[in-house]
Amino acid sequence: EVQLLDSGGGLVQPGGSLRLSCAASGFTFSSYAMSWVRQAPGKGLEWVSSISNGGGNTYYADSVKGRFTISRDNSKNTVHLQMNSLRADDTAVYYCAKDRGDNLNWFFDLWGRGTLVTVSS
Amino acid sequence: DIQMTQSPSTLSASVGDRVTITCRASQSISSWLAWYQQKPGKAPNLLIYKASNLASGVPSRFSGSGSGTEFTLTISSLQPDDFATYYCQQYNTYWTFGQGTKVEIK
Repeated sequence: EVQLLDSGGGLVQPGGSLRLSCAASGFTFSSYAMSWVRQAPGKGLEWVSSISNGGGNTYYADSVKGRFTISRDNSKNTVHLQMNSLRADDTAVYYCAKDRGDNLNWFFDLWGRGTLVTVSS
Repeated sequence: DIQMTQSPSTLSASVGDRVTITCRASQSISSWLAWYQQKPGKAPNLLIYKASNLASGVPSRFSGSGSGTEFTLTISSLQPDDFATYYCQQYNTYWTFGQGTKVEIK
């Protein structure tokens, strides 16, 4: 079955760190770019970060640049989001998504179920 | 940054109605536009890509059109399963979503 299983969310204090993971199955993981998208409670969708299929190119929203790091392990079919210096406004459900397309013209054709990150003291 | 603006924010409709949602980009994005459906507590689901291409498994009552800066998502005959929130997304330059359109029961 083609699926993404995201995990690693939880409650963290402001200034803390958290590492999200996404395990892919059912498709050739190394052929596709991957992304993270978040959704604050009651709000819309916000793109967070993307990584090319080989991992050599990474992209970040201005709101997380310098604090978050995306990485992938094609041998384990996983993608990670390391989140440091977390703030209250990072509180959201974080979705892992599989990208489809070429030359950075990627849309998201498969989504994980999401993992909730709560930043609060 | 490219901004995406959807209208309306909320839409009240009945089963069987024809529904149209508009999405405007702050600058031309060619046809690099996708539409997603999201139900409460669930992940988004891809409906349309490249402005007018139906994603696999999506019912044919959904259609998309437009290019440049103005796009529409049309549901030809609203079904009970279609009450949800819809998002447009540009992928011309990085990735930006519209604020969403909630389709509710009239």
